[in-house]
Amino acid sequence: ETGVTQTPRHLVMGMTNKKSLKCEQHLGHNAMYWYKQSAKKPLELMFVYSLEERVENNSVPSRFSPECPNSSHLFLHLHTLQPEDSALYLCASSQEVGGAGTDTQYFGPGTRLTVL
Amino acid sequence: AQKVTQAQTEISVVEKEDVTLDCVYETRDTTYYLFWYKQPPSGELVFLIRRNSFDEQNEISGRYSWNFQKSTSSFNFTITASQVVDSAVYFCALSGRNTGGFKTIFGAGTRLFVKA
Repeated sequence: ETGVTQTPRHLVMGMTNKKSLKCEQHLGHNAMYWYKQSAKKPLELMFVYSLEERVENNSVPSRFSPECPNSSHLFLHLHTLQPEDSALYLCASSQEVGGAGTDTQYFGPGTRLTVL
Repeated sequence: AQKVTQAQTEISVVEKEDVTLDCVYETRDTTYYLFWYKQPPSGELVFLIRRNSFDEQNEISGRYSWNFQKSTSSFNFTITASQVVDSAVYFCALSGRNTGGFKTIFGAGTRLFVKA
């Protein structure tokens, strides 16, 4: 596979469930990102990882827990979510973080999450 | 302030018409990067172009062209002879030192409908 892949593509969960979103990039990049895209709202940056270290946590509630075991994989663990967390969750990767134009981000197809 | 404004929320055109999507940005940086992404109904943001602040040459790629004007802080995107497959949401974005480097600031997006 090429580019950035995300699984699952669709997820429906109850507020008491625990689930995980997975992202994998096949581009040899060192940085990975999670974004939330809600209806009628701009893209919201959630987390940034550079070489498996978290470099940004953009005031995200603790019910979202990221994990980056290596530079190719990124997870978003979800627990006790709220209906307002329903959104499209997009993963992206870039060659580096904030370095001289190497931060062009390439996105996956997203996971459409519905919280009941 | 670092900001990207896409004043056009929705645009509707008939196939083969030309259409221009506006993007105005604000930044204190002297070195910065501007981007355009396309988000078709499938959800994935597709990278279209990156332009650095020192390169004001306009760019053409097939039916797509971009007009970067630092004097008006604008980076407009024109689609010539639009096609139904161009229907998507288009995002303009900005990245620079004062956005934290890795914080690409996205505009709210312009939804383009191209009717057959």
